[in-house]
Amino acid sequence: EPEVTQTPSHQVTQMGQEVILRCVPISNHLYFYWYRQILGQKVEFLVSFYNNEISEKSEIFDDQFSVERPDGSNFTLKIRSTKLEDSAMYFCASSELGGAPYNEQFFGPGTRLTVL
Amino acid sequence: KQEVTQIPAALSVPEGENLVLNCSFTDSAIYNLQWFRQDPGKGLTSLLLIQSSQREQTSGRLNASLDKSSGRSTLYIAASQPGDSATYLCAASYNTDKLIFGTGTRLQVFP
Repeated sequence: EPEVTQTPSHQVTQMGQEVILRCVPISNHLYFYWYRQILGQKVEFLVSFYNNEISEKSEIFDDQFSVERPDGSNFTLKIRSTKLEDSAMYFCASSELGGAPYNEQFFGPGTRLTVL
Repeated sequence: KQEVTQIPAALSVPEGENLVLNCSFTDSAIYNLQWFRQDPGKGLTSLLLIQSSQREQTSGRLNASLDKSSGRSTLYIAASQPGDSATYLCAASYNTDKLIFGTGTRLQVFP
């Protein structure tokens, strides 16, 4: 069964460093998302992406964050200068269709980011 | 503000019991509601999606219902098994791309 994959599974970085989290969405999906979950807290939406553009972003997704689809299969989240509070599990998701009510989203296993 | 809550936060039941997990949302103009399972340190597995025009969805031993007027969804698990032990999350979708998640119910099914 097709699934979303993410690499790395765990990333440790120093505060102020740049990190790139990578995702391979399900192959026939056109809509892509990033969410994060700080330990013990809710899963929070960061950004949605369609047709090489950001379609929606939350207030968390500030100028330190960017997303890119560098080729036909990968979808990346870049954090330019990491802060301690960026430590979280980052989930990538994809959906075949966009816009509720049809956009069933399928999630990857996550990348645990630890900022020291 | 659109918020989603789940009660109880944790639940421990013996194997074989039928159980109900609750999800409440503040804005009844919901477009769909999705239920997920999360195993410790792992990703989210989609279980069921109920569109606003539907009242329930079934998959195997799972049945999810949606009542927009009362702002509630329930996930019914029949004949629970130890392998059902996980955290169950509900997430609401409105007229945007994002899912709004609840805090989850941590379920433990003991033999």
